[in-house]
Amino acid sequence: GAVVSQHPSWVICKSGTSVKIECRSLDFQATTMFWYRQFPKQSLMLMATSNEGSKATYEQGVEKDKFLINHASLTLSTLTVTSAHPEDSSFYICSASKTGVVDTQYFGPGTRLTVL
Amino acid sequence: SQQGEEDPQALSIQEGENATMNCSYKTSINNLQWYRQNSGRGLVHLILIRSNEREKHSGRLRVTLDTSKKSSSLLITASRAADTASYFCAYNRNQAGTALIFGKGTTLSVSS
Repeated sequence: GAVVSQHPSWVICKSGTSVKIECRSLDFQATTMFWYRQFPKQSLMLMATSNEGSKATYEQGVEKDKFLINHASLTLSTLTVTSAHPEDSSFYICSASKTGVVDTQYFGPGTRLTVL
Repeated sequence: SQQGEEDPQALSIQEGENATMNCSYKTSINNLQWYRQNSGRGLVHLILIRSNEREKHSGRLRVTLDTSKKSSSLLITASRAADTASYFCAYNRNQAGTALIFGKGTTLSVSS
């Protein structure tokens, strides 16, 4: 058990458009999900913490109006990159913690975003 | 930055040799985890060591943790070409249940 999926696995879009990435916990409920970004040959950097039913908490330097996060249910969080630009091209990875289990996170397979 | 540091940044070895990667961190932790990432792919969880543990084994993996030095090491014994990947340490920022802070990673290349 404890599978996290992401959709799409990759996306190419034009500059100025918006892209939505979904993160789903398939077989468990996740009160908290996390969004990370990874640029080529770099490590994962936390973007925001997403809590079901409340506003996301963004890390310093991450624009909340540009990266919209919605966690409307216990199994789904979405990240929308608004007005995407080439510098937003990156690998976006989500993770989820089981409700009530605090020290283990389950990672999705990631979404490769390329903005032309 | 709270990001952990790892060394070496890159490591090239021959099959059968051992590979050691080190991670240093800056905050108090509840546990420290190691992940593997093949190029362009998702993360694979390798092992978790709690703050009250000093050493842990899992197959060919051995992890140590020294909380006084805020450091951890990952040893892969008898490496294989399939071990070629990037390896990251990660820890909770302040307390369990919060987001993970990742180290900068070590890129391991194992040649046959």
